[in-house]
Order: sequence, then C-alpha cells, then structure tokens
Amino acid sequence: GDSVTQMEGPVTLSEEAFLTINCTYTATGYPSLFWYVQYPGEGLQLLLKATKADDKGSNKGFEATYRKETTSFHLEKGSVQVSDSAVYFCALKNAGNMLTFGGGTRLMVKP
Amino acid sequence: DAGVIQSPRHEVTEMGQEVTLRCKPISGHNSLFWYRQTMMRGLELLIYFNNNVPIDDSGMPEDRFSAKMPNASFSTLKIQPSEPRDSAVYFCASRTQGDTGELFFGEGSRLTVL
Repeated sequence: GDSVTQMEGPVTLSEEAFLTINCTYTATGYPSLFWYVQYPGEGLQLLLKATKADDKGSNKGFEATYRKETTSFHLEKGSVQVSDSAVYFCALKNAGNMLTFGGGTRLMVKP
Repeated sequence: DAGVIQSPRHEVTEMGQEVTLRCKPISGHNSLFWYRQTMMRGLELLIYFNNNVPIDDSGMPEDRFSAKMPNASFSTLKIQPSEPRDSAVYFCASRTQGDTGELFFGEGSRLTVL
C-alpha cells in the first residue's frame, strides 16, 4: 500500500538557518504530493503541493520539488524564522483520492 | 468564512464515561474525515464520509467507537465506554469531493480519559 516516510524530529535550528526536511514515498501510479503544517494548538493546514513529476510547490518561502526518480518530496527553506516552529507533515494522494500522511517532523527554531 | 468547527476543544472525563465529539464541516464540502493524533501513532484516519454516507471505517479502533453524519452540516464521533488509551487529539476535516486533495482541518478536540 501507499506510505510516506519522513525524517524523525525534532529538528532544531537557529533563526536564519537553512531547513531541509526529508520525505520519501511509496505509491503505485502517479500520486499528488503535499506538505501540511501544524502550528501549536491548531489543526493541519496545507502549505504547498505538487501534482506531477518535476513540479515545484512553493509558499511562504518554503519549496519542495516532486522527484519521481527518487520518490522524494523534500521540504526546504532558505532562512527559517522562529514563527516557522511547527510540525510538518508530508502526504500523498493517489487515485483513490485519499491522503496518506507521514509521521510528522517537529521543527524548533531558536532566536 | 468559517472553517471547520469542532467542539469541545478540551474534554476531561473518567474511564467508562461516554464521550461525544462534534464537527461542523465547511459549507459546501461533501467529504468529511475524522482523524486521531497521538505521539505514539501519529495521525490516523478513523473514518470518512462522502455525501453523509460512511465510506471507510476500517480505521475505527473497535466497537467502542462510532461515528454518524445525520446531515451535511454535522457529524459526531462517539466513544462508549471511554478508556485511558483513547486520550488523544481528534481532528475533523472536510473537502469537496474530487478536489485536488486539500483538506481543511478543525482545531481539534483534546480528549483526556483518566
């Protein structure tokens, strides 16, 4: 079945550091890929998405590129802020129209 | 615009008591999902509805859990009797069917069973 694997956290960075959160997936066919973010005390919200190979999703300074050859969708940001502290979830949606989430990666950014 | 609305935000109860969590999806959304989030197991899909009909409840842990959607604007998740291992944050999410995949989540109901 479909699955999503994320790097375990927490990831602790200083403000303005470069961020990478790794995400790889296993799926049949051609899934759409997503990153969701969960701020403390809130529900998940969509951060960015990519629907086909080589697409790049971007939002709020975050980027992720759909790499079919490596089945990856790593999240990056060039300069993190304290306000980026949250839990980040990678997810895929396949032909069945259901989302499969990874385990989440907690990011802590220190001033 | 109102988002997905869940109640209560926090619930503390004793083992054996009945718990009812409520959800109002975004108007116009016809798919509704219930998730459970714990540190140990992450985010788990419990059940989802399309057009008020339960489609897949394979994620419901056991018979103590039940979910209903009597109309397009309301759903409940009931646990009876509750146990300490049910302690978690329960999220409701909704979307339009056939959407590109974006789910809109509520703020969650944090349940503590003593």
